[in-house]
Formats: sequence, C-alpha cells, structure tokens
Amino acid sequence: EVQLVESGGGLVKPGGSLRLSCAASGFKFIDAWMSWVRQAPGKGLEWVGRIKSKGSGGTADYAAAVKGRFTISRDDSKNTVDLQMESLKVEDAAVYYCKWERSRYYGMDDWGQGTTVTVSS
Amino acid sequence: QSALTQPPSASGSPGQSVTISCTGTSSDVGGYNYVSWYQQHPGKAPRLMIYEVIKRPSGVPDRFSGSKSGNTASLTVSGLQAEDEADYYCSSYAGGNILVFGTGTRVTVL
Repeated sequence: EVQLVESGGGLVKPGGSLRLSCAASGFKFIDAWMSWVRQAPGKGLEWVGRIKSKGSGGTADYAAAVKGRFTISRDDSKNTVDLQMESLKVEDAAVYYCKWERSRYYGMDDWGQGTTVTVSS
Repeated sequence: QSALTQPPSASGSPGQSVTISCTGTSSDVGGYNYVSWYQQHPGKAPRLMIYEVIKRPSGVPDRFSGSKSGNTASLTVSGLQAEDEADYYCSSYAGGNILVFGTGTRVTVL
C-alpha cells in the first residue's frame, strides 16, 4: 500500500524558514518523481515543484511564486523528500501536500494527507 | 503560468448529470493529453478521479468521465449522488516539467 506522510509543519514568522519532510513507502522510491502541492486556506490547489529521480537527473523545477526561496531535495536511503522553505511570506501559509507522480507527465498520482504551515507574526 | 479557468460552482439534483469545464491554452490543456481531475471533500486530501483526459483509476465509479476538445477539458458526473458534493479541480501538464491547476468548482447536490 502506498503511504505518504508529511511532517514539519508549524508556525513561523514572516522572513523565517521551515523544512517539511515527506516519508514514502509502498513503492520503489528510488525511481519516483515527487511533487509538492499547496493549498492556502479557502483557496485552490497550487503546484509548488517537483524533483526527478536521480536516474533521470535528480533535478527540481519550481513554480514562479517560490523559485529562489524553496528547495526540494531527496534522500533515497531514507525514502524521504524534503521541502526547504526560506524567506517565508504570509501568502506561503497553506496545507502542503507531497505526491508521488506515477507518470513524468503528471498522470496517475498518490497524495499524502498534508501538513499545515502558518506564517504569522 | 496562469491557472486554468473553471466555473466557481455547479449543481444538480440526485440522479442528474453535471459537467464542469476547465479552460486553458494551447500551451497546457490544448497541447497535451495530460489533464487530470481531482475531488476534494472539506479537510481531506484531493482524490484523483480522472487522469490522461479520460482514464479512471481503480475504484473510481464509472459515473465519472472526462473529455477534451481544443483548449477545454470537461468532467461529467452522471447519476449524481449526495457523496459527490465536493470541490473539483482540474490540472494539466504545461510543458517544461510544469503543472498547472484549475481554479476549482464547488459541486452542490440539490
């Protein structure tokens, strides 16, 4: 059974940093392309970014809204994918979901339950 | 990359059909057959209902169907049931490893 469990959410001040982690199980993580998606309170879904498998280069792509502030990384020995968030803004407050992309073109996927990030002074 | 356009709301009575549109451009919806649809109940994670325009994951009722014409994709829910009341989002591959979501549609079962 595929399981994705996000952790690391919490309250952070504007300008601060936070690191989210997603623990994966039930599939071959080393070959997986993993994404982060967020949802601000009462708003729609927003793609944050995706990291390829190391076999496909291991590089990450990001949405314009977070490029230069957020970094996605992976640890294939621990089956985890992390989202390092810097220079956080009030508008970054959201539930953050990780998802396993079964297709590199965003076809079938599996989602975690999300972790909540609050940005407030 | 701009969000795909969906109507804010849609509704139907039990047993009826409702169709939700998702309009993009030739750079996303119109350019690739990689449109997905998600159902989201309050406080829950999104659930994949349709992928690659027309395909249904295992476990999704065949009351849910997808289609695409030009730059607009559609999700049809036939034989509406009370549990179909939820928010629905489309998404599309937009090239260059980018994914774009729709603005979301709240479906109400009258």
